[in-house]
Amino acid sequence: QKEVEQNSGPLSVPEGAIASLNCTYSDRVSQSFFWYRQYSGKSPELIMSIYSNGDKEDGRFTAQLNKASQYVSLLIRDSQPSDSATYLCAVLNRDDKIIFGKGTRLHILP
Amino acid sequence: EADIYQTPRYLVIGTGKKITLECSQTMGHDKMYWYQQDPGMELHLIHYSYGVNSTEKGDLSSESTVSRIRTEHFPLTLESARPSHTSQYLCASSGPRTGGYNEQFFGPGTRLTVL
Repeated sequence: QKEVEQNSGPLSVPEGAIASLNCTYSDRVSQSFFWYRQYSGKSPELIMSIYSNGDKEDGRFTAQLNKASQYVSLLIRDSQPSDSATYLCAVLNRDDKIIFGKGTRLHILP
Repeated sequence: EADIYQTPRYLVIGTGKKITLECSQTMGHDKMYWYQQDPGMELHLIHYSYGVNSTEKGDLSSESTVSRIRTEHFPLTLESARPSHTSQYLCASSGPRTGGYNEQFFGPGTRLTVL
């Protein structure tokens, strides 16, 4: 089992709709979770960090964490064409290493 | 947010040449990392360092070497470049873990092409 798993996509979402990106992780003691956005040819950019169960909102982005289910998600409200990118889920594991998922490609349809 | 720099941004070089990719950060972060990423593919950790004089190999075997003589500087060296080394190389750093925080920030990357 991969430490961090994401659906590779592509996930196609109409402009203005909510995009929902999901991630599961295997290390039950993980405490820190991150979402990165990566545009084609660019480096990953940290957009959200979450450490406690529940929701964390920042602008159009909401990160959701459920440690019991070992599940992290990212919601993007009012999706814009500029949100089209690959979204990487990352988890800080028990060895204090950040493990990245393979990423989900998101395509916002104008 | 961390300020992390990589030079050069683009490098085209012939087979057999020795190259050094530079990475510096100004936030005093203890931990630094090198990743390799091909277009459209996942990140692969090739080296990391948890402090001065500490370096470890990552999950992906690499012919490159690294050094960490100063906290802010983490260069990567290829003694003899080959076409198979053509890729994007990303440097990252993260700070001490306090209050659950250990956010990792990336530099802009170096795109290496070996002819």
